[in-house]
Amino acid sequence: GDSVTQTEGPVTLSEGTSLTVNCSYETKQYPTLFWYVQYPGEGPQLLFKVPKANEKGSNRGFEATYNKEATSFHLQKASVQESDSAVYYCSPLASSSFSKLVFGQGTSLSVVP
Amino acid sequence: NAGVIQTPRHKVTGKGQEATLWCEPISGHSAVFWYRQTIVQGLEFLTYFRNQAPIDDSGMPKERFSAQMPNQSHSTLKIQSTQPQDSAVYLCASSFSGGASQNTLYFGAGTRLSVL
Repeated sequence: GDSVTQTEGPVTLSEGTSLTVNCSYETKQYPTLFWYVQYPGEGPQLLFKVPKANEKGSNRGFEATYNKEATSFHLQKASVQESDSAVYYCSPLASSSFSKLVFGQGTSLSVVP
Repeated sequence: NAGVIQTPRHKVTGKGQEATLWCEPISGHSAVFWYRQTIVQGLEFLTYFRNQAPIDDSGMPKERFSAQMPNQSHSTLKIQSTQPQDSAVYLCASSFSGGASQNTLYFGAGTRLSVL
């Protein structure tokens, strides 16, 4: 079945530094790729999604490029803020999968002043 | 739009008791998903309904867990004879359709179940 491997957390960064969260996936089908973010006390929410290979998604300063050849979808941000402290989940949804999103373990990020 | 509503937010049960968790999906959404979240396992898929019909329950433990969707406005997850290892945050999500790869899941805030 589908699987996802993410950067193992927790990750602690200082405000203003850059972030990279690695995401590698395995799926038999050509997927849409999602990044979700979960803030404390809330459910996950969509950060952005990319349905096509070699395209880039972005939102709130975060971005990721769908690399079909490398089966990767690494999340990046040039300058993190304290408000970015959250858990980040990468997820592929295979185009033929009419059911569930499979999530990675999630990467917990803490940004300190 | 109030989003996906889950009740209760917190539930404490004694070992062996039953727990029922409720989910109200976003109006107009045709698919409802249940996930379980723990520190060790992360977000685990449990089950999924589309147009109230059960589609995929491959993540549900074979014993003690059951889910229903009696109407389009709510779904329930029932855990019989709760055990300490059932302690987790149970998340419900809905989407416009479970069949298209572009669909987005909208999650509720979750129910934190603690089994003593």
